[in-house]
Amino acid sequence: DIQMTQSPSTLSASVGDRVTITCRASQSIGSWLAWYQQKPGKAPKLLIYKASTLESGVPSRFSGSGSGTEFTLTISSLQPDDFATYYCQQYNSYPYTFGQGTKLEIK
Amino acid sequence: EVQLVESGGGLVQPGGSLRLSCAASGFTFSNYEMNWVRQAPGKGLEWVSYISGSGSTIYYADSVKGRFTISRDYAKNSLYLQMNSLRAEDTAVYYCAASTAVAGLFDYWGQGTLVTVSS
Repeated sequence: DIQMTQSPSTLSASVGDRVTITCRASQSIGSWLAWYQQKPGKAPKLLIYKASTLESGVPSRFSGSGSGTEFTLTISSLQPDDFATYYCQQYNSYPYTFGQGTKLEIK
Repeated sequence: EVQLVESGGGLVQPGGSLRLSCAASGFTFSNYEMNWVRQAPGKGLEWVSYISGSGSTIYYADSVKGRFTISRDYAKNSLYLQMNSLRAEDTAVYYCAASTAVAGLFDYWGQGTLVTVSS
């Protein structure tokens, strides 16, 4: 199975900050990586797929990059609505696996 | 508008069974692959099972293989998860998720249904 490791597990930041979350795969997954945002009590929401393609309706302050085993999610200027937990997920091969999540907290 | 609505969750004793349902609308159900993804309380996301649009290909996570069965009913536009021999570690919110673009990419999610396995 492909293991996905996110860092950091928790990130404290302020409105307006630029933040970056890293996701590493235990083997190459090409660009078959997605990022999801989840708020408490809600279902996850797809933000980015194929490592860098923004899902329709997602604000342009979100961006993704990377390929192979190293990936990043960047939020260019944090907004109050962005404080949530973020997960990466590989869909290169079954079983599909998620990172453990990064909780983005208000500093 | 795509909608996925899960039902069937509840409290069940260890060793018991439960059947989850997911009613789909707003898209051509038979065209798309469907999945179940779960989240234990306070924990991360875990993919559970996949079924292809035709129903001919099915995958399971090792943690549920042999105990859970995924199926779909095209006449009812519904996805199911039959869960047998339930364990405490199966306690989670179970989400159905559609893959309308590519297999394994979860672009639409239901609101989830809570399954609690406890005596």
